[in-house]
Amino acid sequence: DGGITQSPKYLFRKEGQNVTLSCEQNLNHDAMYWYRQDPGQGLRLIYYSQIVNDFQKGDIAEGYSVSREKKESFPLTVTSAQKNPTAFYLCASREQGVGNQPQHFGDGTRLSIL
Amino acid sequence: SQQGEEDPQALSIQEGENATMNCSYKTSINNLQWYRQNSGRGLVHLILIRSNEREKHSGRLRVTLDTSKKSSSLLITASRAADTASYFCATDGVDNFNKFYFGSGTKLNVKP
Repeated sequence: DGGITQSPKYLFRKEGQNVTLSCEQNLNHDAMYWYRQDPGQGLRLIYYSQIVNDFQKGDIAEGYSVSREKKESFPLTVTSAQKNPTAFYLCASREQGVGNQPQHFGDGTRLSIL
Repeated sequence: SQQGEEDPQALSIQEGENATMNCSYKTSINNLQWYRQNSGRGLVHLILIRSNEREKHSGRLRVTLDTSKKSSSLLITASRAADTASYFCATDGVDNFNKFYFGSGTKLNVKP
């Protein structure tokens, strides 16, 4: 089945530690996105990528970094500079160049501070 | 910010009743989408309506769009307990259709 896989489902971060969240898709989509969701709130865009080796900052990129070395993979690193990392992180992908296409989401990674 | 806002924040109804939730946004759009999120899961796309459309149907879902008022509504008819979830609207921008802005969602509880 085609889809988006996020791992791990739960992740704990210690003070001063960087952690990396994985996002893999087999939908052959060019565009990929990372969102942060806080309790009872909507999604806020962290980073997005429209093509391999290129990505753009979203609305809340500070304290995060990404890479896009392969079409199917878009990992997110939460750095120690992100002082309030506890949240639910969602990865999405979307087909580009064919008009208005929806985003497909993974099942998220819940990050907490130890 | 272009971010949409849903109204109401929470809605509780009995099974079989209709559920209506509204979304307002701030700037011009190419299209508006509605998504559903079950607790602790990712979002699932429900329906997309383009800026030149006024109404769209999909099964028990009916979406309307009023671009003059910058608002949209999602109607779920004959609701079921399985419809219990949070519902979000998402808009893109006429200047960047690759970015999406999500509202804060309506939490729907359908009681059996």
